[in-house]
Amino acid sequence: GDSVTQMEGPVTLSEEAFLTINCTYTATGYPSLFWYVQYPGEGLQLLLKATKADDKGSNKGFEATYRKETTSFHLEKGSVQVSDSAVYFCAHRPGTGGYQKVTFGTGTKLQVIP
Amino acid sequence: GAGVSQTPSNKVTEKGKYVELRCDPISGHTALYWYRQSLGQGPEFLIYFQGTGAADDSGLPNDRFFAVRPEGSVSTLKIQRTERGDSAVYLCASSPGYGNTIYFGEGSWLTVV
Repeated sequence: GDSVTQMEGPVTLSEEAFLTINCTYTATGYPSLFWYVQYPGEGLQLLLKATKADDKGSNKGFEATYRKETTSFHLEKGSVQVSDSAVYFCAHRPGTGGYQKVTFGTGTKLQVIP
Repeated sequence: GAGVSQTPSNKVTEKGKYVELRCDPISGHTALYWYRQSLGQGPEFLIYFQGTGAADDSGLPNDRFFAVRPEGSVSTLKIQRTERGDSAVYLCASSPGYGNTIYFGEGSWLTVV
């Protein structure tokens, strides 16, 4: 069935370091892809999304490109800040079918130290 | 309110008891979802409503779990004969409709002792 696999954490980086969190998926058709973020003590928030192949989603300095050939949607940021410390979830929603069931990965915890 | 509202935010109950968790979606959102998130895991789909009807309840783990949305707005997740394994954060989310972004509430933390 459909699934999302993302790199295990925790990931610890120094402030201003480059971030990559890998995400791959299995799905039929042409799914939409998402990154959600969960800051400490807060609910899940949509960070960015891409709805078709080669689309690039971006927000708050984060980017991810929908790569259908490698079934990947890796999250990147050129210079992380302490305030980026959170848990990041990769997710997808089927491109076919009559509803919007979103499947999440297990999450990657990012800790940014000053 | 501006976002998805869930109550209670925390609930501790004894094994075997009945629990209800409430979700008030964003006004005007026709789609509503329940997810469950265990410690260290991603959210796991439980059930999806489009309007008043459950369009997909394939994620409900067993018949102790049931959810309703009688007027197409507020939803209640009901858990009978709770077990310790039911301890998790129960997340509600809503969306304006098909193909749109879904917005999550902060969750209801359920602890079964």
